Amino acid sequence: KQEVTQIPAALSVPEGENLVLNCSFTDSAIYNLQWFRQDPGKGLTSLLLIQSSQREQTSGRLNASLDKSSGRSTLYIAASQPGDSATYLCAYGGATNKLIFGTGTLLAVQP
Amino acid sequence: GAGVSQSPRYKVAKRGQDVALRCDPISGHVSLFWYQQALGQGPEFLTYFQNEAQLDKSGLPSDRFFAERPEGSVSTLKIQRTQQEDSAVYLCASSLGYRGPRSGNEQFFGPGTRLTVL
Repeated sequence: KQEVTQIPAALSVPEGENLVLNCSFTDSAIYNLQWFRQDPGKGLTSLLLIQSSQREQTSGRLNASLDKSSGRSTLYIAASQPGDSATYLCAYGGATNKLIFGTGTLLAVQP
Repeated sequence: GAGVSQSPRYKVAKRGQDVALRCDPISGHVSLFWYQQALGQGPEFLTYFQNEAQLDKSGLPSDRFFAERPEGSVSTLKIQRTQQEDSAVYLCASSLGYRGPRSGNEQFFGPGTRLTVL
């Protein structure tokens, strides 16, 4: 079974800290990997998309990396803010087009 | 609006009732996906359309679940004879739909429909 694991499951940090969220997957034939944030009771907001030929993508304070050979991706958040508090989900897409999701990391940034 | 919209946002059904959930994808997006998200879990794939063609329905949990996209734009997910285990958030996503490993098949999600079956 294709699996995606996200570590840690929950994380609480003081405002201003840099942090790293981890995502590992078992399928080596991925086409792309997407990071999302989900606020309570809301849908998913796409943060970054990394194609299989890329190693990283950056958007503002966010940087995501992809290592297909080891089946890992990381999301780096610089200078965290209380507004970053949310659940962060990673998901990969393959030949079937559907996304396979992890269970997410619940992030709380304390003011 | 420019995003994916879904209606209703909340639906309460009595066990055994039929429900219909609607998704309006981003204009021009060829691909449309339905996912089911249980509490505390990541979304799980249900079905996928390319225009009006349903290319993958491998994630539909039973024959009580049916999806359609007759004109290649709006899609409806129908659940017949709802059961308590159907209670979840149903998410719809759309993408441009270019194929191939170098494509940017970024999926954009709607706000979801929270279904509660009593």
